[in-house]
Amino acid sequence: EPEVTQTPSHQVTQMGQEVILRCVPISNHLYFYWYRQILGQKVEFLVSFYNNEISEKSEIFDDQFSVERPDGSNFTLKIRSTKLEDSAMYFCASSATGSPNEKLFFGSGTQLSVL
Amino acid sequence: AQKVTQAQTEISVVEKEDVTLDCVYETRDTTYYLFWYKQPPSGELVFLIRRNSFDEQNEISGRYSWNFQKSTSSFNFTITASQVVDSAVYFCALSGLNTGGFKTIFGAGTRLFVKA
Repeated sequence: EPEVTQTPSHQVTQMGQEVILRCVPISNHLYFYWYRQILGQKVEFLVSFYNNEISEKSEIFDDQFSVERPDGSNFTLKIRSTKLEDSAMYFCASSATGSPNEKLFFGSGTQLSVL
Repeated sequence: AQKVTQAQTEISVVEKEDVTLDCVYETRDTTYYLFWYKQPPSGELVFLIRRNSFDEQNEISGRYSWNFQKSTSSFNFTITASQVVDSAVYFCALSGLNTGGFKTIFGAGTRLFVKA
């Protein structure tokens, strides 16, 4: 089965540094998402992206966050100036049509640790 | 507002026991979709099942079964004859016609331990 791939699997950074988390969605999918999971807590929606635009974002997704599809395959999440509370597992997901009845295909996640 | 509540934080059972994971949801949408995802120790999120709000038929897939009851806004998940490999965190999730697929809401998850 096709899969969403995320790199790196682990990222350690110093507070205040910029990080870029990378994702390669499934090739024929059109809708892309970032979710995060703080250790042991719920999976929280960050942002959805379609047609090179943000479709929806949560209150977590403030000005420190940005997303980009720099080429035909990658989908990135940038955190401009990391804070301790940004430490979490970040999941990328994709879906073919963005329909609410469609399952999301998730990557294995990037564990971000901000020191 | 959309909300998913999984009141059970952790459940521990012995292998071969049956276990039910509870999920209660809130939505103002008349058309909505419910999901269960599994997160094994390796960390990825794996889709298990989807139901739409018009289909209250219960579903069975091997040892897994799902009980959707609109009257109580519940979508419970039962594992029959549990196995050690079922140990994982299980998330119930909701998306609606207003919410759209753009924003699937997840519950807090239930961590299931199955002991040999």
